[in-house]
Amino acid sequence: GENVEQHPSTLSVQEGDSAVIKCTYSDSASNYFPWYKQELGKRPQLIIDIRSNVGEKKDQRIAVTLNKTAKHFSLHITETQPEDSAVYFCAASEGSARQLTFGSGTQLTVLP
Amino acid sequence: GAVVSQHPSWVICKSGTSVKIECRSLDFQATTMFWYRQFPKQSLMLMATSNEGSKATYEQGVEKDKFLINHASLTLSTLTVTSAHPEDSSFYICSASLAAGPNQPQHFGDGTRLSIL
Repeated sequence: GENVEQHPSTLSVQEGDSAVIKCTYSDSASNYFPWYKQELGKRPQLIIDIRSNVGEKKDQRIAVTLNKTAKHFSLHITETQPEDSAVYFCAASEGSARQLTFGSGTQLTVLP
Repeated sequence: GAVVSQHPSWVICKSGTSVKIECRSLDFQATTMFWYRQFPKQSLMLMATSNEGSKATYEQGVEKDKFLINHASLTLSTLTVTSAHPEDSSFYICSASLAAGPNQPQHFGDGTRLSIL
C-alpha cells in the first residue's frame, strides 16, 4: 500500500517568513495530493490540492509543488501569519481507490 | 457546499457501552464515505470505507465486528463502536467527496471525541 512520509514534524517561523513542508510517497500510481490544515480539536480543512498532471499550483500565499519522478511534493506558505499556526497534513491517493493516506503531520508555529 | 455533519461531537461513557456516531452529507449525496481515527498528536488513520448499499471495506487491523458501519442512504453513514473499552478512546472523523470518481477532494466532519471510562 501507499506510504507517505512528512517532515519536519515541527516548524517554527517568524511572522512574515516562509514555511516549507515536504512529503514523499511510495506508490507511483498515486495521482492526487491534497494538503489539510487542522487546528486543535477541529476538523481537517482542505487548503490546496494538486493532481499529477500539473507540477505546481498556487492560491494566494499557499503553493504546492509536485515532482512525480522523485515522488515528492511540498507545501509553501509565504508571508506567514500567526493564524497560520496549526498542524498541516499531506496526503496521497491512488485515484481509483479514492482513499487518502496521510503523512504524520507538521506542527507549524508562527511567532509574532 | 460540501458540508459534512458529524454527531455527536463528544461522548463520555462507561466501558462496555456501544456508541453510535453519525456522519451526514448535508448538501450533496455521497456514495462513499470514509471513517478515520486520530489519536492525540498523531495522524489520521483510515479505518474503513463506507459504501452506500453494500458492505464496508475495512483496513487491515480494524475489527469489523467491533466497528460496525452502516451506509443505508446516500447522505448518512454510521459507525458503531461496540462494547467500547478505554483503548477505543480517540477522535473519530468521517469524510465524504462531493463528486463521484477519482481525485476528488474529501471534506471532513467535525469529528467525535470518544472517551471511555
